[in-house]
Amino acid sequence: ELKVEQNPLFLSMQEGKNYTIYCNYSTTSDRLYWYRQDPGKSLESLFVLLSNGAVKQEGRLMASLDTKARLSTLHITAAVHDLSATYFCAALGYNTDKLIFGTGTRLQVFP
Amino acid sequence: DTGVSQNPRHKITKRGQNVTFRCDPISEHNRLYWYRQTLGQGPEFLTYFQNEAQLEKSRLLSDRFSAERPKGSFSTLEIQRTEQGDSAMYLCASSSGSGPNTIYFGEGSWLTVV
Repeated sequence: ELKVEQNPLFLSMQEGKNYTIYCNYSTTSDRLYWYRQDPGKSLESLFVLLSNGAVKQEGRLMASLDTKARLSTLHITAAVHDLSATYFCAALGYNTDKLIFGTGTRLQVFP
Repeated sequence: DTGVSQNPRHKITKRGQNVTFRCDPISEHNRLYWYRQTLGQGPEFLTYFQNEAQLEKSRLLSDRFSAERPKGSFSTLEIQRTEQGDSAMYLCASSSGSGPNTIYFGEGSWLTVV
C-alpha cells in the first residue's frame, strides 16, 4: 500500500533564507503532486512531476522528483512571508487514480 | 471556466441526520474525486469516478456514505445517520485524465455534526 511521508512537519524560517521540504513515498508511483493550502482554504495546485529527474520551478519554489529514490523535494529560495502556508505532496498510486497525501509541512516565514 | 464548485460550503447538522453535498467539476473533466480532510491532517481519499462509473472506494467509506455521478457531470456525496466523527471538510476534485493530469480541488464543504 502506497504511503507518503513528509518532513519536516513544521518549518519556521526567516525571510530571505532557503530551505527544502522532503517527500518520500513507499512504492512505485506514476506521478507526484505538490499543493499549497492556506488556513481554512482548499488546495492550490503547485506542480505535477511526471518522470524521473523532472524539475519544475515557479517563482521562489522549485520541485524535483527522483523516482529511483522515491523522493521529491520542494525547495524554497529566499523565503517571503507570503509563502506561509501548509504544503502537501501527494503521490498517485501505480495503475490507479487514487492520490495519497502526505501529512503536510506547515511553513511559517517571519521577518 | 469557474473551477470546481461545491455546495453547501458549510453545514451544521444534528447527529443522526442525513446530509448531502454537491460537486460540479470543471466542464469536460471526466474524472471526479471525493476526499475528506480533518484539522491538521492531509486529505484522505474517499472515492473516484470516471464519467458516471464509480471505480474506486476507500475502506473509509462506510455503508453510511454513498456517492453518485448520474450523468457523468455533477456528483453528490450523501452521509446518512451522521456521527460526530464525520465532522470534517469534504473536498471534491476533478481532472481531465489526459496530459499532465493536474487534479483541481474545489473550495470544500465543511461539515459540523453536533
